[in-house]
Amino acid sequence: DAGVIQSPRHEVTEMGQEVTLRCKPISGHNSLFWYRQTMMRGLELLIYFNNNVPIDDSGMPEDRFSAKMPNASFSTLKIQPSEPRDSAVYFCASSPASGVESPLHFGNGTRLTVT
Amino acid sequence: AQSVAQPEDQVNVAEGNPLTVKCTYSVSGNPYLFWYVQYPNRGLQFLLKYITGDNLVKGSYGFEAEFNKSQTSFHLKKPSALVSDSALYFCAVRDMNSGNTPLVFGKGTRLSVIA
Repeated sequence: DAGVIQSPRHEVTEMGQEVTLRCKPISGHNSLFWYRQTMMRGLELLIYFNNNVPIDDSGMPEDRFSAKMPNASFSTLKIQPSEPRDSAVYFCASSPASGVESPLHFGNGTRLTVT
Repeated sequence: AQSVAQPEDQVNVAEGNPLTVKCTYSVSGNPYLFWYVQYPNRGLQFLLKYITGDNLVKGSYGFEAEFNKSQTSFHLKKPSALVSDSALYFCAVRDMNSGNTPLVFGKGTRLSVIA
């Protein structure tokens, strides 16, 4: 089990550029979550999917943020255009859909810096 | 609504001493409770969970937590702290009757174990 895989690990970009973060959940996991972590706000849930369908995107800060899950093994989080205040660590996590008792499995995150 | 409170931003303890990281929760039904640990530049890692049964739950790395329904608490404990336990600790809750909705995380408590 390779765990949840996120890429890239680090991303540095200039304000206004498009940023795409990628996530491969654990095989067989049907739920996928995107979180953002900052010193000021802690861990924030941005959006989550069940069976590739977005269930709740109320945590997405603005229309500049979008997320997709085209299949069970891949998801993207896109920021267009990026702004310095988007600088944070972005985590992807997955869990079995039926596993309300199951813990989330987190990737190691993507550290985004927008200059 | 579900919520979690971790009243301490920082806990300092000497190596070899017992440690406690506090967590209280609020749910309308019965809770599923989780503790996670985050080491630098890594994602959150699952430590232990309470689902039902024995109020004292044992987890990874010698950690344990005690579920106290009357006090709505789920404090994390370890009898003898190690320097390597220094990390960020998160408590999380899900209402048992809420289906596979996302976990609600606390803001985290930074544990520093001093040699």
